[in-house]
Amino acid sequence: GQQVMQIPQYQHVQEGEDFTTYCNSSTTLSNIQWYKQRPGGHPVFLIQLVKSGEVKKQKRLTFQFGEAKKNSSLHITATQTTDVGTYFCAAMNSGYSTLTFGKGTMLLVSP
Amino acid sequence: NAGVTQTPKFRVLKTGQSMTLLCAQDMNHEYMYWYRQDPGMGLRLIHYSVGEGTTAKGEVPDGYNVSRLKKQNFLLGLESAAPSQTSVYFCATQRGSSYEQYFGPGTRLTVT
Repeated sequence: GQQVMQIPQYQHVQEGEDFTTYCNSSTTLSNIQWYKQRPGGHPVFLIQLVKSGEVKKQKRLTFQFGEAKKNSSLHITATQTTDVGTYFCAAMNSGYSTLTFGKGTMLLVSP
Repeated sequence: NAGVTQTPKFRVLKTGQSMTLLCAQDMNHEYMYWYRQDPGMGLRLIHYSVGEGTTAKGEVPDGYNVSRLKKQNFLLGLESAAPSQTSVYFCATQRGSSYEQYFGPGTRLTVT
């Protein structure tokens, strides 16, 4: 089945520093979704990217979908302690009914 | 609206015991999913359903069974629990194809 590799597995930053997580696939993706899971919580949908080269912004978060639709990234500018959690990318499988999740990047932000 | 609810929130089972996890949704979504989450493994799909009365296997279906007799409910059964099934189980729903998923709060299951 489809696989998505996510790096890094873990990152610890000081508040105010930037953060980026990357999601890579060996195959072309139809679309990609990003989720955030706070410690002890459940995954919450952030965004979906569909078009080649697409860039979307949500306040301090910038999401990109690669030109070849084989990779994606999430960048957070000037992290805050509220950004703590695990960020997952998820690729839509053919048939558009299931997702394959990356293993996630855990972000820790120190004040 | 409650969204997606899961029952129970916590459970401890002994090896060989059986149990059923219930997922209920009030969003009228067609698709429902069961995932398990283990440390460092992300979310892995166990079974899913694209409509009432239909189910399909996901990535890790062995040892689990499911039923979707009503649109709003999706049940996950463990017939003979094993320690390897110790995990956090999440239910999720999706309005239709190509949409985002909404997750329940999770069930933490420990099998001793």
